[in-house]
Amino acid sequence: DGGITQSPKYLFRKEGQNVTLSCEQNLNHDAMYWYRQDPGQGLRLIYYSQIVNDFQKGDIAEGYSVSREKKESFPLTVTSAQKNPTAFYLCASRAGQGAYEQYFGPGTRLTVT
Amino acid sequence: EDKVVQSPLSLVVHEGDTVTLNCSYEVTNFRSLLWYKQEKKAPTFLFMLTSSGIEKKSGRLSSILDKKELFSILNITATQTGDSAIYLCAVEVDGNKLVFGAGTILRVKS
Repeated sequence: DGGITQSPKYLFRKEGQNVTLSCEQNLNHDAMYWYRQDPGQGLRLIYYSQIVNDFQKGDIAEGYSVSREKKESFPLTVTSAQKNPTAFYLCASRAGQGAYEQYFGPGTRLTVT
Repeated sequence: EDKVVQSPLSLVVHEGDTVTLNCSYEVTNFRSLLWYKQEKKAPTFLFMLTSSGIEKKSGRLSSILDKKELFSILNITATQTGDSAIYLCAVEVDGNKLVFGAGTILRVKS
């Protein structure tokens, strides 16, 4: 079964702790993305990567970090510098430039108290 | 700053009604417009539109793009309770990025 997996589904952390969200795809897609979704605000782009070992900041990158060491994996670290980390995080991937849509994973709901 | 605005923000209809969801955009380098449906978790792809005036259709759903007036509409005819979801509009811009609107929450009552 081809697709995008995110783990865990729910994550709880104390304030001040870094946390890493996993995203894996077996679609052989070049590009991968991380979004954050808050109620009433749609999806906002955190980071994206178009090829292995390369990534760019999105609109709300502050307090987050990523790596892209393998084509199939794009983990997101939410650092203690992120002021309001509680949100629903979605990972997506895309085959490449052109007429291809982004495919989304099931998401991770992070709660920081 | 690239911007995508959806309206209405939420909508309640009865089964069998027809609904029209709106998406307007202001972006610097338009490449395509996409519609997604989000029920519980992952958004699922509905349509990708790149050319003005060409309607895309899938069952009871259809969508059209107007690149002159910078908007798109998503129509759902004969709505069913299973159509209840958040409908997301996104515009692809240069750099292989999507800019999303806030979404329209549709609730279909039986």
